[in-house]
Amino acid sequence: AAGVIQSPRHLIKEKRETATLKCYPIPRHDTVYWYQQGPGQDPQFLISFYEKMQSDKGSIPDRFSAQQFSDYHSELNMSSLELGDSALYFCASSVRRHPNTEAFFGQGTRLTVV
Amino acid sequence: GENVEQHPSTLSVQEGDSAVIKCTYSDSASNYFPWYKQELGKRPQLIIDIRSNVGEKKDQRIAVTLNKTAKHFSLHITETQPEDSAVYFCAASAPRGPGNTPLVFGKGTRLSVIA
Repeated sequence: AAGVIQSPRHLIKEKRETATLKCYPIPRHDTVYWYQQGPGQDPQFLISFYEKMQSDKGSIPDRFSAQQFSDYHSELNMSSLELGDSALYFCASSVRRHPNTEAFFGQGTRLTVV
Repeated sequence: GENVEQHPSTLSVQEGDSAVIKCTYSDSASNYFPWYKQELGKRPQLIIDIRSNVGEKKDQRIAVTLNKTAKHFSLHITETQPEDSAVYFCAASAPRGPGNTPLVFGKGTRLSVIA
């Protein structure tokens, strides 16, 4: 079965550079979530999209932005990268129109800022 | 907003023993409570979930209980095996519109099963 696909799997950037993370949700899933997980920490919710519209906003820095495209894939754009942005970034997708359905996570993108 | 507390942060058990992880939540409207298992460097994977219309759910060696009045839910793993060693996260979400709010996670419990 198709899963949530994230790319790239690993990314190394220097401070003040920009990065773009991509997420391809499971087909027919209408909601995409982005989470940031620092070392030894729980996943922190950043932002979500429902039917290509921003739905919820969590602890996403102003330096970050995201969008969902017509084909439902989503991109997280990160600018002016800081050392503290080094983390695992997970995308998850679900079917919101069916309440209480589980969120499936992608394999994540490991971002290292040096 | 929702706040999820999880205890303990680390747990070591002997192989074959049981493990219990507990979570509390703050939003009385929350109605969906999944548990995720995460191995080092990998994605969180759903192992079991419970909805607010039931008090207990079991799947082989894993069970979850929910006490809505006290706003807490627990994960029980019986006959633990070394491959159960991982970080376990509880989470909660509430109904909103056509679906639910984004999951709010607990801080995680690092479970070590000693052979």
